[in-house]
Amino acid sequence: QVQLQESGPGLVKPSETLSLTCTVSSASISKYYWSWIRQPPGKGLEWLGYISNTGSTNYNPSLKSRVTVSLDTSKTHFSLKLNSVSAADTAVYYCAGSPGAGRYFDYWGQGILVTVSS
Amino acid sequence: QTVVTQEPSLTVSPGGTVTLTCASSTGAVTSGYYPNWFQQKLGQAPRALIYSTNNKHSWTPARFSGSLLGGKAALTLSGALREDEADYYCLLYQGGTWVFGGGTKLTVL
Repeated sequence: QVQLQESGPGLVKPSETLSLTCTVSSASISKYYWSWIRQPPGKGLEWLGYISNTGSTNYNPSLKSRVTVSLDTSKTHFSLKLNSVSAADTAVYYCAGSPGAGRYFDYWGQGILVTVSS
Repeated sequence: QTVVTQEPSLTVSPGGTVTLTCASSTGAVTSGYYPNWFQQKLGQAPRALIYSTNNKHSWTPARFSGSLLGGKAALTLSGALREDEADYYCLLYQGGTWVFGGGTKLTVL
């Protein structure tokens, strides 16, 4: 069974960069389609961006200039960076993955709460 | 940016049938939008239920089904159980990006 686990700091200061890692087990990091999604407290889900098995990326237009998703194929994880954060970026951040071919969000991590505060 | 609209809340009786819908501000939802449906229970991560309109995962209970209905994506729950009480989110693919609906809070009562 594919398992994903988010990790990173739970507290980030305003204007700094939020950096999270998603560690993957029981799946080939270079063959899947990987995404990041977030959920502000008490609110709905927001798709942030993806990286495909070919390395192509695409991002939510509302965040495009601030967000980067990357893959570490030598290891077993992929990452999210979100620049210039503010309190509005406080959320539970989830990573998700899937083999593609119509399936893109099969497996999810448990989520990590990141609070933006000074 | 595209807005995806779901019913904010719905109620179904145990054993009953309910249909949740997912509309796009750009027009009729088609299979090319690869509609996905997710279930999220309180305090838990979302769980994938349906992908590409009507395909179930191996873990998706048979009582859930996906379809296109009247220009919208739809999730039908037949024979609701109390354990199906949760938030349900649809997700559509448009122009290379994915957009979530605002979610439907389903009460089984």
